[in-house]
Amino acid sequence: LAKTTQPISMDSYEGQEVNITCSHNNIATNDYITWYQQFPSQGPRFIIQGYKTKVTNEVASLFIPADRKSSTLSLPRVSLSDTAVYYCLVGDIGATSGTYKYIFGTGTRLKVLA
Amino acid sequence: EADIYQTPRYLVIGTGKKITLECSQTMGHDKMYWYQQDPGMELHLIHYSYGVNSTEKGDLSSESTVSRIRTEHFPLTLESARPSHTSQYLCASSELRDAGNEKLFFGSGTQLSVL
Repeated sequence: LAKTTQPISMDSYEGQEVNITCSHNNIATNDYITWYQQFPSQGPRFIIQGYKTKVTNEVASLFIPADRKSSTLSLPRVSLSDTAVYYCLVGDIGATSGTYKYIFGTGTRLKVLA
Repeated sequence: EADIYQTPRYLVIGTGKKITLECSQTMGHDKMYWYQQDPGMELHLIHYSYGVNSTEKGDLSSESTVSRIRTEHFPLTLESARPSHTSQYLCASSELRDAGNEKLFFGSGTQLSVL
């Protein structure tokens, strides 16, 4: 089972800021939080990653509260091309190998309207 | 940009055929993954490898098998394809920064259709 929970879908209009929140109540001490974007018929693409507080890059910001049980991806001024599925991901330790593996949840389907 | 390649991009094949989906990366990553994704659905982890000669099954049971003889190569094989295997197969490798801190790079996927 995925270790994360997100809203299934969101709609927004062009030019608006979009915030997508992800719950990860059982996040482990070592876990980073990573967000990916996926367009139809393509593999997911890395957007942003963080461990705590706030991280910003050229496409998004990531807000992580002190307890790290949730995170919020913020997309400033979205455009039609931001219509995609957004996945929040934390690691899961394999029972036999003891190494990290990554289980995707349902993701959030963002639709940007003109 | 990630240097991870999957071939073929599309494959249409008849029931009972043996198929191998190829995945290669040139980044020297030790960890690699195979995910299966149906249209409009989430990705399901079916296999992963944390190094040469080390493979693990993922959370979704799959009739496919994998091998990891070389770091850069992680092929997936179906001995006898069935229509239920029709899906998109995505390969990924990860850059390991620290425990719990990895960045996944995905290939473009193979869309498999079994008739």
